[in-house]
Amino acid sequence: DTGVSQNPRHKITKRGQNVTFRCDPISEHNRLYWYRQTLGQGPEFLTYFQNEAQLEKSRLLSDRFSAERPKGSFSTLEIQRTEQGDSAMYLCASSRRPSGGLPFTDTQYFGPGTRLTVL
Amino acid sequence: AQRVTQPEKLLSVFKGAPVELKCNYSYSGSPELFWYVQYSRQRLQLLLRHISRESIKGFTADLNKGETSFHLKKPFAQEEDSAMYYCALIDNQGGKLIFGQGTELSVKP
Repeated sequence: DTGVSQNPRHKITKRGQNVTFRCDPISEHNRLYWYRQTLGQGPEFLTYFQNEAQLEKSRLLSDRFSAERPKGSFSTLEIQRTEQGDSAMYLCASSRRPSGGLPFTDTQYFGPGTRLTVL
Repeated sequence: AQRVTQPEKLLSVFKGAPVELKCNYSYSGSPELFWYVQYSRQRLQLLLRHISRESIKGFTADLNKGETSFHLKKPFAQEEDSAMYYCALIDNQGGKLIFGQGTELSVKP
């Protein structure tokens, strides 16, 4: 399977613990996005990378959240001191930055997500 | 503010009936709009995007700038169309997607 992969698929943790999720994008894609989805809502943007540079962070991303993409390939999303409100599905997507023509038009391909439950 | 609104949480139709999933948006400039679909136990995937003007699985969507709408239509629903459907637009500052809340389509036999 050459699609976007995410690990783990499920994570149950206790309040106050730290968790880390991993996303492996499609290999030739240089853009990587993180979204969060809670029950009954559409995905909400958290942050995105172009290669290793983190270009934008949402106000949803509190100081407890940090994301990295050290070599411009896989990415990690860490949540420190988890809270019950962090319980959600965390989605990763990747795309190829389009060259020429219209900007920002390349399709984003999504991973299966990591479901976090904070007890 | 950029926003996508899907007013229906659930749409239930019978097989063979026409389907219209509503999507309205708020955007300054020329929007680029998408419909994503999520079938049961599968990942979110692109269904169609307005710039390609394709018909995918019998679905079409026309961008109406006057009404700021991008409704998804299919003339004859099939049971396999049952899924969650999300309308989304691309942010004008960068590449992030802004999603609506989603509409669950249920096609009954």
